[in-house]
Amino acid sequence: QKEVEQDPGPLSVPEGAIVSLNCTYSNSAFQYFMWYRQYSRKGPELLMYTYSSGNKEDGRFTAQVDKSSKYISLFIRDSQPSDSATYLCAMRDDKIIFGKGTRLHILP
Amino acid sequence: DAGVIQSPRHEVTEMGQEVTLRCKPISGHDYLFWYRQTMMRGLELLIYFNNNVPIDDSGMPEDRFSAKMPNASFSTLKIQPSEPRDSAVYFCASSLGGQGGNQPQHFGDGTRLSIL
Repeated sequence: QKEVEQDPGPLSVPEGAIVSLNCTYSNSAFQYFMWYRQYSRKGPELLMYTYSSGNKEDGRFTAQVDKSSKYISLFIRDSQPSDSATYLCAMRDDKIIFGKGTRLHILP
Repeated sequence: DAGVIQSPRHEVTEMGQEVTLRCKPISGHDYLFWYRQTMMRGLELLIYFNNNVPIDDSGMPEDRFSAKMPNASFSTLKIQPSEPRDSAVYFCASSLGGQGGNQPQHFGDGTRLSIL
């Protein structure tokens, strides 16, 4: 089993819909959980981070961590065409590991 | 404020040639990271520096790869000799105080490397 699993997509949803992006992981030592957004031909940029379990909300974005299930999620409410990008989950104990990313398309 | 600056943006070269990728981190950041991104393997950490000192190079694929950070404002990643399987996008990132979580890594726009 790979350390971090993420569905590559692509995921296409209509504008205004709620988007759910997910990752599973195998290493129970991970403590920090992050979501990065990467636009085409650009570097990733940090969107949200969470320490240990729980929820965190920032505007239209909500990050959830369920350590008991080794499962993390990113929800995007009222999705916009500008949200179209690749979303990478990342997590770390002493070293950061990235998922391969999910390509998201928001259809106008 | 200037972000992380990488050069060149694109590099196309023939197998066997030496390739040098360059990075200027954000001023004041004490951590610098080199990553490689491919469709097959995703984003992989190659090596990172703290205060110009290499801390972990366990992600460097083989001896053909080397990285240096001669000062706080410059780093290079060198591949010699290059091979077609080295074709990827190489990213440099910098951060203040660590690897992630509440110390976000700021990425450059990458160098797209093609080895023919």
